[in-house]
Amino acid sequence: GAVVSQHPSRVICKSGTSVKIECRSLDFQATTMFWYRQFPKQSLMLMATSNEGSKATYEQGVEKDKFLINHASLTLSTLTVTSAHPEDSSFYICSARLSTDTQYFGPGTRLTVL
Amino acid sequence: GQQLNQSPQSMFIQEGEDVSMNCTSSSIFNTWLWYKQDPGEGPVLLIALYKAGELTSNGRLTAQFGITRKDSFLNISASIPSDVGIYFCAGPGRTSYDKVIFGPGTSLSVIP
Repeated sequence: GAVVSQHPSRVICKSGTSVKIECRSLDFQATTMFWYRQFPKQSLMLMATSNEGSKATYEQGVEKDKFLINHASLTLSTLTVTSAHPEDSSFYICSARLSTDTQYFGPGTRLTVL
Repeated sequence: GQQLNQSPQSMFIQEGEDVSMNCTSSSIFNTWLWYKQDPGEGPVLLIALYKAGELTSNGRLTAQFGITRKDSFLNISASIPSDVGIYFCAGPGRTSYDKVIFGPGTSLSVIP
C-alpha cells in the first residue's frame, strides 16, 4: 500500500523557537498533501491543504504566518511552526492524496513546546 | 457546515465479541471512509465505500454505505486485542472534494 512518512516523530522545543516537520510520500507522487492537528482525545482537524508548486490553502482560524507550508516537490511537504508556544503542543499529522477521495496518512509528529 | 457524528463514543468489550459502530450526518456524503488510529500513530484506511447500499468487507471488518447516504456502519467480528484503537468515519467535504471531514471517533477497548 501507499506509504507516507513524517520526520521527526517526536520533537521537544523551547518556547519561541521554530520547528520544521517533513512529510514524504515514499512510493507515489502527491500533488496534494494535507496537514492536520490532533489534540488529546479529539478528532483530526484539517489545518491546510498543501499543493505542489503553489501556495497552501489554510482553513479558517489557522494562521498562515505561524504555520508555514512548503510543497516543493511531488513527494515532500514541510510544515514549519514558527515562534512556537506551549499552546502549539499537539500531534501533527500529514496525509497525501493518492486518488480523488483516498488519502494516506503519515505516522504523526508529537510536538511539545516547553 | 457538514458534520459527522459517531456512536458510541467509546466501547469496552470482551475479546471474541462482535462490535458495531455507527456514523451519521445531516447531509449527504458520496463516499464514506473508515479509518483506525492506534495510539500515537496516524490513521490507517480500513474500508472505503462509494455507492449507496454498498456492503464491503476487509477481513473481520464489514462496513455498509447507508441507502440514504447519510449514514454508515462498521462491524468488527470476533474482536481481538489488537483491534484496540480509535475508529473514525470520514467523508469528502461538500465545498471541496479534496477535504476529508472526520467524525469525532469511537474509542474501542478490548478486554482479553
